[in-house]
Amino acid sequence: DIVMTQSPDSLAVSLGERATINCKSSRSVLYNSDNKNYLAWYQQKPGQPPKLLIYWASTRESGVPDRFSGSGSGTDFTLTISSLQAEDVAVYYCQQYLTAPPHTFGQGTKLEIK
Amino acid sequence: EVQLVESGGGLVQPGGSLRLSCAASGFTFSSYNLNWVRQAPGKGPEWVAFLSSSSTTIFYADSVKGRFTVSRDNAKNSLYLQMNSLRAEDTAVYYCAREGYSGYNAYWGQGTLVTVSS
Repeated sequence: DIVMTQSPDSLAVSLGERATINCKSSRSVLYNSDNKNYLAWYQQKPGQPPKLLIYWASTRESGVPDRFSGSGSGTDFTLTISSLQAEDVAVYYCQQYLTAPPHTFGQGTKLEIK
Repeated sequence: EVQLVESGGGLVQPGGSLRLSCAASGFTFSSYNLNWVRQAPGKGPEWVAFLSSSSTTIFYADSVKGRFTVSRDNAKNSLYLQMNSLRAEDTAVYYCAREGYSGYNAYWGQGTLVTVSS
């Protein structure tokens, strides 16, 4: 199974500042046949299900604010929030979906306001 | 609007059984692959089971293989998870999730809590 490792485990950022969360996969999630990275990012607030933010590593889901962006390829990926808002406080997860299941998740990064 | 509504959770003793249901609306149910994903208290999501749109392909997490059975009824727009031989470590909120163009989960239900305890 592909193991997903996020860093840091927790992060405190001031309002209006940039937040960066990293995700590393134990092997490449780039599918050479279509040149797509099979990597998604989710946001989860307390008491709510995860919400899809980004898929194909960098494609923003409809309705997601453009301050959220995804980058990276192969085994190393980054979720960036360009200007942190109070409503962005949440736990963020990456997930790979390259292979047949299991589609493994990272352990999560808790984002708080400094 | 896509909606997924889980039901059937509750308190069950170790070794017991439960059947979870997920009622879907707002999309062509028979066209999409579906997943069950669970989340233990204070932990991250854990994928549990996958069922293809036509029920021809099924996968289970090793942790539930042989104990859980996933199924769907495309005529009723419903997804099911039959859980047998439940263990304390199966305690979690169980979500049904609909895939997008590929294996990412584009839509999630609100979840149903399963507690396995004596």
